[in-house]
Amino acid sequence: QLQLQESGPGLVKPSETLSLTCTVSGASISSSGDYWGWIRQTPGKGLEWIGTIYYSGTTYYNPSLKSRVTISVDTSKNQFSLGLTSVTAADTAMYYCARPAASSGYSYVDNWGQGMLVTVSS
Amino acid sequence: DILMTQSPSSLSASVGDRVTITCRASQSISSYLNWYQQKPGKAPKLLIYAASSLQGGVPSRFSGSGSGTDFTLTISSLQPEDFATYHCQQSHSSPYSFGRGTKLEIK
Repeated sequence: QLQLQESGPGLVKPSETLSLTCTVSGASISSSGDYWGWIRQTPGKGLEWIGTIYYSGTTYYNPSLKSRVTISVDTSKNQFSLGLTSVTAADTAMYYCARPAASSGYSYVDNWGQGMLVTVSS
Repeated sequence: DILMTQSPSSLSASVGDRVTITCRASQSISSYLNWYQQKPGKAPKLLIYAASSLQGGVPSRFSGSGSGTDFTLTISSLQPEDFATYHCQQSHSSPYSFGRGTKLEIK
């Protein structure tokens, strides 16, 4: 059974870089055809798609965050990571790692981590 | 970006009621519409994908319909465990955007 678990600092100072890691168990992160992604949720904006990385390393980032986001994969550890630079209070959110899937060309998220609350504050 | 608008934002209902939640896309998304259920302190859970396909293990009292810009999620007979927040999401065009959610509360 696929499981995802976020980890990282729960408190980040303004202007610094937010770094989170998602550890995948129950599947190989380098499985052909699999995408891995990050989604965040705030009370004000709801759920927001941050970006995804394909097993080959190809990435897609939400244009609203693209200048500040990096998603990478470490196949040796079966992990993928999120980096978000120059954070502000607006980046305070619950961050979820996720495994998007698809059926007959329709994409959806059928596996989510439990979420990690990251607060941006000095 | 495609804007997803849900209505109502909150809803009070009783066990056994039939409930309908609406999601409207700012442009046509064919049937690229997913519904998720989220309970407090938990990650969203996929209920329906491709507008009307029930995810495995989801009770048949949940159903989805619609195409183009207008979609509905229907719960045919509310159960106590159904009180939660429901989100729609379009997967037609990146970035895959979500609605703001509909909170379903006990009357």
